[in-house]
Amino acid sequence: RKEVEQDPGPFNVPEGATVAFNCTYSNSASQSFFWYRQDCRKEPKLLMSVYSSGNEDGRFTAQLNRASQYISLLIRDSKLSDSATYLCVVNMNTGFQKLVFGTGTRLLVSP
Amino acid sequence: DTEVTQTPKHLVMGMTNKKSLKCEQHMGHRAMYWYKQKAKKPPELMFVYSYEKLSINESVPSRFSPECPNSSLLNLHLHALQPEDSALYLCASSRQGTAASGNTIYFGEGSWLTVV
Repeated sequence: RKEVEQDPGPFNVPEGATVAFNCTYSNSASQSFFWYRQDCRKEPKLLMSVYSSGNEDGRFTAQLNRASQYISLLIRDSKLSDSATYLCVVNMNTGFQKLVFGTGTRLLVSP
Repeated sequence: DTEVTQTPKHLVMGMTNKKSLKCEQHMGHRAMYWYKQKAKKPPELMFVYSYEKLSINESVPSRFSPECPNSSLLNLHLHALQPEDSALYLCASSRQGTAASGNTIYFGEGSWLTVV
């Protein structure tokens, strides 16, 4: 089983749609969780951290279910500029930071 | 704009060449990282430096040699690479090297390496 698994997509949605991405991780001792966004031929950029209580940043909502080892990202009112690859990232509990990336889910928002 | 600066942005090298990738950050971060990203794949961790000491080496072949001259600089020395080593090499930094809450990792724009 992969350490971090995501549906690779692509997800094709119209502007204004709501879209949800899911992610599962294998190491129950993992400490912290993130969603990164990566545009084509660019570096990954932190979108948001994911907290146990769930957290929201504008149109983006992240949720964590530790019991199920499941992370989600919800994007409301999709914009064209949201088109990118969304990477689920888990910080493995090794003492030192070891970010493990999922394969990413590609989102295409069309007019 | 990222505060982690990588040079060069693009590098083409032969299999017998010796070259280096450079990374610099001035955020006072004490942990720095090298990641490798192949096309259509996620980034994969290569090395972690914490307080200028190598903390993690993910079984990377010795043809990749990291160096951390000081807390702001991280180099990756390349020698006798293979065409399959062609990839985007990403440098990153964080305030600390431990998996503490809020210890965000910031990436540079990467160096595109082509081995011919």
